[in-house]
Amino acid sequence: GAGVSQSPSNKVTEKGKDVELRCDPISGHTALYWYRQSLGQGLEFLIYFQGNSAPDKSGLPSDRFSAERTGGSVSTLTIQRTQQEDSAVYLCASSLAHGSYNEQFFGPGTRLTVL
Amino acid sequence: DQQVKQNSPSLSVQEGRISILNCDYTNSMFDYFLWYKKYPAEGPTFLISISSIKDKNEDGRFTVFLNKSAKHLSLHIVPSQPGDSAVYFCAASPQKKLVFGKGTKLTVNP
Repeated sequence: GAGVSQSPSNKVTEKGKDVELRCDPISGHTALYWYRQSLGQGLEFLIYFQGNSAPDKSGLPSDRFSAERTGGSVSTLTIQRTQQEDSAVYLCASSLAHGSYNEQFFGPGTRLTVL
Repeated sequence: DQQVKQNSPSLSVQEGRISILNCDYTNSMFDYFLWYKKYPAEGPTFLISISSIKDKNEDGRFTVFLNKSAKHLSLHIVPSQPGDSAVYFCAASPQKKLVFGKGTKLTVNP
């Protein structure tokens, strides 16, 4: 497919468990972003990868959250010891990184529910 | 502290009329602004953008206006169509990442 894909589309987990969310960006896009949208809120920036540069982790809400991007393509967002407040839709986006202004293309998101 | 604010959570308009969606920002360092449209169970899709060196950008039925002195931008949709019914997010770009508002749910009634 040509777009950003994310898996799983839905994830229900118990409090205290770890979860992994996956993002496949558009081929050739060097920039990858993770956002989350909690109920009634806007999209909240989490982390940004650009090529081989060190990621911008300034949006990660706690040290339970981490993300990797392997081979400059697929990314995994990991949440350890999940809490109920982690319940949200997690969105991944990718973009071509030229200049400062790049349209970000979003995936459909993963809806995470922590019971 | 919200840097991008969309104060109207919802807006309802009649088909064929103009829809005006508003957005305010607080950070004068923002230099690029975007509007995204989101349907349920889908990711946001890019709609239109504007650089801070401009005050207007038009693309078909969609026009974005930027008032830098007031730190305000608006999205005009003319004429509105039922298929425009969605949540619209305003976003501002401080360099690479985007700062989003909470969104405005637009309903266009036939």
